[in-house]
Amino acid sequence: DTAVSQTPKYLVTQMGNDKSIKCEQNLGHDTMYWYKQDSKKFLKIMFSYNNKELIINETVPNRFSPKSPDKAHLNLHINSLELGDSAVYFCASSHFGQEAFFGQGTRLTVV
Amino acid sequence: DAKTTQPPSMDCAEGRAANLPCNHSTISGNEYVYWYRQIHSQGPQYIIHGLKNNETNEMASLIITEDRKSSTLILPHATLRDTAVYYCIVWINTGTASKLTFGTGTRLQVTL
Repeated sequence: DTAVSQTPKYLVTQMGNDKSIKCEQNLGHDTMYWYKQDSKKFLKIMFSYNNKELIINETVPNRFSPKSPDKAHLNLHINSLELGDSAVYFCASSHFGQEAFFGQGTRLTVV
Repeated sequence: DAKTTQPPSMDCAEGRAANLPCNHSTISGNEYVYWYRQIHSQGPQYIIHGLKNNETNEMASLIITEDRKSSTLILPHATLRDTAVYYCIVWINTGTASKLTFGTGTRLQVTL
C-alpha cells in the first residue's frame, strides 16, 4: 500500500496547456504539502494545507492553484504552462508539526 | 528557521559507518534537528530527528552536541543502497506555518 501516491508519474505537455497533478495519502494525516524540485535539485515548498485549509502559500505564480477536496487529497492545477514550470513536483503529508512523508514525484516537462 | 551547513559530498566504503556532519550554530532552543535523504529522483525519505538527546532507530543514529550547534548522522553499516543526498534540517512547528526547508544537502556515495 502506497502511503502518499501521486498521479501521473510523468507528464509531458505543450506550453500554454492546463494540467493537474493528483495526490492522495492513506496515512490519516491532517496536513498535506506540495514541493517543487527544479533542475538544480533545490526542493522548495509551494503550498501547505491543514484540514483542507490553506496555511502556507509561498511566492508561487497564481497560475498554480491547489485544491483539497478532503483531508486525504491535495491536487495541484497549473494553468498556462510555461517552460520554466518543468520540474519534479512532490506531494507530502504529515500529522501537523510532525515528520512528513513524501510521494514519488511527478516529473513535469513542458515543451 | 535556523540555517544548516553540510559538506557537499562524502564517500564511504560499503560496510563502514558513514558519519554525516551538520552545523546549525544558530539553532534555537525549541528547534528540532531532522534528517531526510533523497535517493536518486525519488521522494525525500524521513530518517530520524532529535531535540537534545542522541537518538537511534532502525535506520540510523543521531548524535547532537551538548551545545546543540552541530550534529552527526551515523549510518552504522553503509550499503550501496544508502547512496543518496542527505539533508539536515532544523525545524520548529510554528503553529499555523509549519514547513520543512531543505538546503543543498550532502551527496553520500557508498562504494565497493
